[in-house]
Amino acid sequence: QEQLQQWGAGLLKPSETLSLTCAFFGGSFSGYCWTWVRQTPGKGLEWIADINHSRNTNYNPTLKSRVSISVDTSKKQFSLKLRSVTAADTAVYYCARGGRYTNSAPLDCWGQGTLVTVSS
Amino acid sequence: DIVMTQSPDSLAVSLGERATINCKSSQSVLYSSSDKNYLAWYQQKPGQPPKLLIYWASARESGVPDRFIGSGSGTDFTLTISSLQAEDVAVYYCQQYYSGPRTFGQGTKLEIK
Repeated sequence: QEQLQQWGAGLLKPSETLSLTCAFFGGSFSGYCWTWVRQTPGKGLEWIADINHSRNTNYNPTLKSRVSISVDTSKKQFSLKLRSVTAADTAVYYCARGGRYTNSAPLDCWGQGTLVTVSS
Repeated sequence: DIVMTQSPDSLAVSLGERATINCKSSQSVLYSSSDKNYLAWYQQKPGQPPKLLIYWASARESGVPDRFIGSGSGTDFTLTISSLQAEDVAVYYCQQYYSGPRTFGQGTKLEIK
Protein backbone atom coordinates (compact mmCIF):
# COMPACT_ATOMS: atom_id res chain seq x y z
CA GLN A 1 0.00 0.00 0.00
CA GLU A 2 1.43 3.33 -1.05
CA GLN A 3 1.82 5.80 1.77
CA LEU A 4 3.69 8.89 2.83
CA GLN A 5 4.99 9.33 6.37
CA GLN A 6 6.23 12.70 7.51
CA TRP A 7 8.03 14.00 10.54
CA GLY A 8 9.68 17.12 11.94
CA ALA A 9 9.68 19.55 14.83
CA GLY A 10 6.24 20.68 15.89
CA LEU A 11 7.11 23.71 18.01
CA LEU A 12 9.34 26.52 16.82
CA LYS A 13 10.26 29.97 18.04
CA PRO A 14 10.00 33.00 15.75
CA SER A 15 12.99 33.35 13.39
CA GLU A 16 13.83 29.62 13.54
CA THR A 17 13.84 27.26 10.56
CA LEU A 18 11.03 24.79 9.97
CA SER A 19 12.32 21.45 8.78
CA LEU A 20 10.10 18.56 7.68
CA THR A 21 10.84 15.28 5.92
CA CYS A 22 8.51 12.90 4.13
CA ALA A 23 9.20 9.28 3.20
CA PHE A 24 7.37 7.24 0.58
CA PHE A 25 6.59 3.56 1.03
CA GLY A 26 4.94 0.85 -1.01
CA GLY A 27 5.59 1.90 -4.57
CA SER A 28 7.84 3.52 -7.10
CA PHE A 29 9.42 6.84 -6.11
CA SER A 30 11.04 7.69 -9.40
CA GLY A 31 9.50 10.03 -11.93
CA TYR A 32 6.99 11.64 -9.59
CA CYS A 33 6.53 15.23 -8.52
CA TRP A 34 6.67 15.63 -4.73
CA THR A 35 4.81 18.46 -3.05
CA TRP A 36 4.31 20.32 0.22
CA VAL A 37 0.98 21.93 1.15
CA ARG A 38 -0.03 23.66 4.35
CA GLN A 39 -3.40 24.33 5.95
CA THR A 40 -4.53 27.04 8.31
CA PRO A 41 -8.02 27.91 9.54
CA GLY A 42 -7.66 31.38 8.09
CA LYS A 43 -6.08 30.76 4.67
CA GLY A 44 -7.22 27.22 4.01
CA LEU A 45 -5.04 24.97 1.85
CA GLU A 46 -1.92 26.62 0.46
CA TRP A 47 0.46 24.98 -1.99
CA ILE A 48 4.06 25.62 -0.94
CA ALA A 49 6.44 23.95 -3.37
CA ASP A 50 7.16 20.90 -5.47
CA ILE A 51 10.17 19.06 -6.86
CA ASN A 52 10.19 16.66 -9.76
CA HIS A 53 12.25 13.68 -10.87
CA SER A 54 14.85 15.99 -12.45
CA ARG A 55 15.14 17.97 -9.23
CA ASN A 56 13.44 20.94 -10.88
CA THR A 57 11.65 22.98 -8.26
CA ASN A 58 8.64 25.25 -8.17
CA TYR A 59 7.84 27.57 -5.29
CA ASN A 60 4.84 29.62 -4.26
CA PRO A 61 5.96 33.22 -4.92
CA THR A 62 4.60 34.31 -1.55
CA LEU A 63 7.07 31.99 0.22
CA LYS A 64 9.84 31.63 -2.35
CA SER A 65 12.40 33.79 -0.54
CA ARG A 66 12.23 31.58 2.57
CA VAL A 67 11.56 28.07 1.23
CA SER A 68 13.66 25.26 -0.12
CA ILE A 69 12.63 21.75 -1.14
CA SER A 70 14.98 18.85 -1.73
CA VAL A 71 14.80 15.16 -2.55
CA ASP A 72 16.87 12.08 -1.68
CA THR A 73 15.87 9.42 -4.18
CA SER A 74 18.07 6.76 -2.58
CA LYS A 75 15.98 7.00 0.60
CA LYS A 76 12.68 7.76 -1.15
CA GLN A 77 12.43 10.94 0.89
CA PHE A 78 11.92 14.63 0.27
CA SER A 79 12.22 17.58 2.61
CA LEU A 80 11.01 21.11 3.23
CA LYS A 81 12.82 23.96 4.93
CA LEU A 82 11.16 27.28 5.74
CA ARG A 83 13.41 29.93 7.20
CA SER A 84 12.65 32.82 9.54
CA VAL A 85 9.27 31.52 10.64
CA THR A 86 6.65 33.71 12.27
CA ALA A 87 3.31 33.03 13.91
CA ALA A 88 1.76 33.30 10.45
CA ASP A 89 3.54 30.07 9.50
CA THR A 90 1.64 28.13 12.16
CA ALA A 91 -0.22 25.47 10.21
CA VAL A 92 -0.66 21.79 9.51
CA TYR A 93 1.91 20.86 6.89
CA TYR A 94 1.25 18.02 4.46
CA CYS A 95 3.49 16.23 2.02
CA ALA A 96 1.85 14.82 -1.08
CA ARG A 97 2.54 13.10 -4.39
CA GLY A 98 1.76 14.76 -7.67
CA GLY A 99 1.95 13.50 -11.20
CA ARG A 100 4.49 11.26 -12.89
CA TYR A 101 6.77 13.18 -15.27
CA THR A 102 4.54 16.23 -14.86
CA ASN A 103 3.66 18.67 -12.12
CA SER A 104 0.33 19.39 -13.82
CA ALA A 105 -1.51 16.68 -11.97
CA PRO A 106 -3.63 16.27 -8.86
CA LEU A 107 -2.27 15.14 -5.50
CA ASP A 108 -3.21 11.51 -5.12
CA CYS A 109 -1.32 10.44 -2.01
CA TRP A 110 -0.95 12.52 1.17
CA GLY A 111 1.03 12.32 4.37
CA GLN A 112 -0.71 12.35 7.71
CA GLY A 113 0.09 15.99 8.38
CA THR A 114 2.33 17.71 10.95
CA LEU A 115 1.08 20.53 13.12
CA VAL A 116 3.78 23.17 13.34
CA THR A 117 3.26 25.90 15.91
CA VAL A 118 5.39 29.02 16.00
CA SER A 119 5.36 30.68 19.38
CA SER A 120 7.80 32.50 21.62
CA ASP B 1 -2.51 33.39 -9.53
CA ILE B 2 -5.76 31.61 -10.40
CA VAL B 3 -8.34 32.25 -7.71
CA MET B 4 -10.73 29.39 -6.93
CA THR B 5 -14.06 30.32 -5.38
CA GLN B 6 -16.47 27.73 -4.03
CA SER B 7 -20.14 28.05 -3.20
CA PRO B 8 -21.77 27.64 -0.85
CA ASP B 9 -19.42 27.81 2.14
CA SER B 10 -21.60 25.28 3.94
CA LEU B 11 -24.42 22.99 2.99
CA ALA B 12 -26.86 20.76 4.89
CA VAL B 13 -28.56 17.97 2.97
CA SER B 14 -30.81 15.12 4.05
CA LEU B 15 -29.58 11.55 3.80
CA GLY B 16 -30.31 10.12 0.37
CA GLU B 17 -30.72 13.54 -1.19
CA ARG B 18 -28.47 15.26 -3.71
CA ALA B 19 -25.69 17.60 -2.68
CA THR B 20 -24.21 20.09 -5.15
CA ILE B 21 -21.03 22.11 -4.64
CA ASN B 22 -19.83 24.71 -7.12
CA CYS B 23 -16.34 25.91 -7.95
CA LYS B 24 -15.42 28.84 -10.14
CA SER B 25 -11.91 29.68 -11.36
CA SER B 26 -10.78 33.22 -12.15
CA GLN B 27 -9.50 32.03 -15.52
CA SER B 28 -10.07 28.99 -17.66
CA VAL B 29 -8.30 25.80 -16.59
CA LEU B 30 -9.14 24.06 -19.86
CA TYR B 31 -6.04 23.18 -21.84
CA SER B 32 -7.28 23.36 -25.40
CA SER B 33 -4.71 21.08 -27.00
CA SER B 34 -5.66 18.17 -24.76
CA ASP B 35 -9.27 19.21 -24.13
CA LYS B 36 -8.70 18.52 -20.44
CA ASN B 37 -9.75 20.64 -17.49
CA TYR B 38 -6.98 20.80 -14.91
CA LEU B 39 -9.36 20.66 -11.97
CA ALA B 40 -9.53 18.27 -9.02
CA TRP B 41 -11.89 17.73 -6.08
CA TYR B 42 -10.82 16.56 -2.64
CA GLN B 43 -12.68 15.38 0.45
CA GLN B 44 -11.31 16.11 3.91
CA LYS B 45 -12.66 14.60 7.11
CA PRO B 46 -11.68 15.93 10.56
CA GLY B 47 -8.15 15.05 11.55
CA GLN B 48 -7.34 13.57 8.16
CA PRO B 49 -5.49 14.81 5.09
CA PRO B 50 -7.43 15.65 1.95
CA LYS B 51 -8.37 12.69 -0.21
CA LEU B 52 -8.48 12.92 -4.01
CA LEU B 53 -11.97 12.21 -5.36
CA ILE B 54 -12.08 13.62 -8.89
CA TYR B 55 -9.43 14.73 -11.38
CA TRP B 56 -9.59 16.16 -14.91
CA ALA B 57 -12.87 17.66 -13.62
CA SER B 58 -14.85 14.46 -14.09
CA ALA B 59 -12.61 11.39 -13.75
CA ARG B 60 -13.25 9.45 -10.56
CA GLU B 61 -10.22 8.29 -8.57
CA SER B 62 -9.98 4.54 -8.08
CA GLY B 63 -12.16 3.36 -5.21
CA VAL B 64 -14.34 6.47 -5.08
CA PRO B 65 -18.06 5.61 -5.08
CA ASP B 66 -19.96 6.44 -8.24
CA ARG B 67 -22.33 8.74 -6.35
CA PHE B 68 -19.53 11.34 -6.59
CA ILE B 69 -19.84 13.07 -9.95
CA GLY B 70 -17.68 15.88 -11.28
CA SER B 71 -18.76 18.10 -14.14
CA GLY B 72 -18.10 21.43 -15.79
CA SER B 73 -15.53 23.01 -18.08
CA GLY B 74 -13.53 26.17 -18.52
CA THR B 75 -14.19 28.21 -15.40
CA ASP B 76 -17.28 26.62 -13.86
CA PHE B 77 -17.33 23.24 -12.16
CA THR B 78 -19.64 21.20 -9.98
CA LEU B 79 -19.24 18.29 -7.60
CA THR B 80 -22.47 16.38 -7.14
CA ILE B 81 -23.11 13.69 -4.56
CA SER B 82 -26.13 11.95 -6.00
CA SER B 83 -27.42 10.33 -2.82
CA LEU B 84 -25.85 11.60 0.39
CA GLN B 85 -24.53 9.00 2.82
CA ALA B 86 -23.59 9.64 6.46
CA GLU B 87 -19.91 9.00 5.67
CA ASP B 88 -19.90 11.87 3.16
CA VAL B 89 -19.91 14.48 5.92
CA ALA B 90 -16.68 16.38 5.26
CA VAL B 91 -15.20 19.53 3.81
CA TYR B 92 -14.79 19.49 0.03
CA TYR B 93 -12.16 21.46 -1.89
CA CYS B 94 -11.56 22.13 -5.55
CA GLN B 95 -8.04 22.72 -6.84
CA GLN B 96 -6.59 23.86 -10.14
CA TYR B 97 -3.35 22.38 -11.41
CA TYR B 98 -3.35 24.32 -14.68
CA SER B 99 -0.78 27.02 -14.00
CA GLY B 100 1.23 28.92 -11.44
CA PRO B 101 0.92 28.12 -7.78
CA ARG B 102 -1.61 25.30 -7.47
CA THR B 103 -4.55 26.99 -5.76
CA PHE B 104 -7.46 25.60 -3.79
CA GLY B 105 -10.97 26.80 -3.16
CA GLN B 106 -11.83 27.89 0.37
CA GLY B 107 -13.78 24.71 1.04
CA THR B 108 -17.43 23.73 1.41
CA LYS B 109 -18.55 22.09 4.64
CA LEU B 110 -21.17 19.41 4.02
CA GLU B 111 -23.42 18.31 6.87
CA ILE B 112 -26.49 16.17 7.34
CA LYS B 113 -29.83 17.98 7.66
